[in-house]
Amino acid sequence: DAGVTQSPTHLIKTRGQQVTLRCSPKSGHDTVSWYQQALGQGPQFIFQYYEEEERQRGNFPDRFSGHQFPNYSSELNVNALLLGDSALYLCASSLARGRSTEAFFGQGTRLTVV
Amino acid sequence: GQQLNQSPQSMFIQEGEDVSMNCTSSSIFNTWLWYKQDPGEGPVLLIALYKAGELTSNGRLTAQFGITRKDSFLNISASIPSDVGIYFCAGPRAGGTSYGKLTFGQGTILTVHP
Repeated sequence: DAGVTQSPTHLIKTRGQQVTLRCSPKSGHDTVSWYQQALGQGPQFIFQYYEEEERQRGNFPDRFSGHQFPNYSSELNVNALLLGDSALYLCASSLARGRSTEAFFGQGTRLTVV
Repeated sequence: GQQLNQSPQSMFIQEGEDVSMNCTSSSIFNTWLWYKQDPGEGPVLLIALYKAGELTSNGRLTAQFGITRKDSFLNISASIPSDVGIYFCAGPRAGGTSYGKLTFGQGTILTVHP
């Protein structure tokens, strides 16, 4: 049973560029949430996707957008990258029904903006 | 905004010792989750708590959901070197449509000396 998988594992981008990160949820899960984790901090909620729609959003600018595909996988897009966007980006999957608060995380994508 | 406060921020203990850490909030939580994160990895779910007063164990780990629903505790008995890592508490805000939108504490860094 595959867990949550993210790609790529590491990425270096230049300020102003755009980036796309990918996530495949745990088998059987239908909800994907994205988090940003700065060094030395706890993860911060970016947004959540269910049924291919953004259901909830945290306090992040519109430069952060996402998508969910029919197979429940998801992408996180960040436009006009800033140095402050450097962080570990985590994807978490869960089930919309039942105990949906049990979120399982991938290994993350380490984004460095230079 | 809503915050989860974890204490202590860091702990340095000897192998074999017991560990206690806690998490408090000014808001009520319906669920408390405890995660462990190793360097460069995503958080791994250790224990989930769903009911005020609930005491749940997972091997050497025991966690409790505070009666006031504003706090939770995690204990690790007979610590071993592989317990090293950052421990996070997390939970969704009570009420509303916050399922999956987890708020995290800032983490407790645990170091175990052999």
